[in-house]
Amino acid sequence: KNEVEQSPQNLTAQEGEFITINCSYSVGISALHWLQQHPGGGIVSLFMLSSGKKKHGRLIATINIQEKHSSLHITASHPRDSAVYICAVDNNDMRFGAGTRLTVKP
Amino acid sequence: GAGVSQSPRYKVTKRGQDVALRCDPISGHVSLYWYRQALGQGPEFLTYFNYEAQQDKSGLPNDRFSAERPEGSISTLTIQRTEQRDSAMYRCASSWGPGELFFGEGSRLTVL
Repeated sequence: KNEVEQSPQNLTAQEGEFITINCSYSVGISALHWLQQHPGGGIVSLFMLSSGKKKHGRLIATINIQEKHSSLHITASHPRDSAVYICAVDNNDMRFGAGTRLTVKP
Repeated sequence: GAGVSQSPRYKVTKRGQDVALRCDPISGHVSLYWYRQALGQGPEFLTYFNYEAQQDKSGLPNDRFSAERPEGSISTLTIQRTEQRDSAMYRCASSWGPGELFFGEGSRLTVL
């Protein structure tokens, strides 16, 4: 069993829809990262969370440490949000989820 | 530097050859991570350093893989006697301690 599980694996949405991507983990962590990987392959960090909630533009990330669960939300989704979203947990090393491939159609 | 720099960007080698991949992190970043990513897969952790100390190498697939960061800045990932299954994108990221990760563009290794 993977230490970091993401769901769904693939997600197709219509422009404007509210998107939720989930991440569950089984290890104790010091922080959780949400990453975005575009088709060109580059990875950028969206959020680093250790508790609560963070918001940046249309993106919101939440984490529940007790439940070992985090969610990434995208409001008013847009085709340019199409990418692979990866959850990574920092437990003195870094463990990654397999990623969620999001496609937003116009 | 302005960002995390990796070299070479592309490396094609024959099976059995050794390769060395370089990561130059953002200046002052304490932590440096190595990952690899096969096509269509999520990243796979290999190893990481705090300063020059290798903290965890449990992700290294076998003893053909090694990494060093002798002065706490530039790091080299070395793969000895490469095999076709080693073909992947090898990525490096750095951070100032427990902070935001900054990723390099990666080194794509192809073993023929």
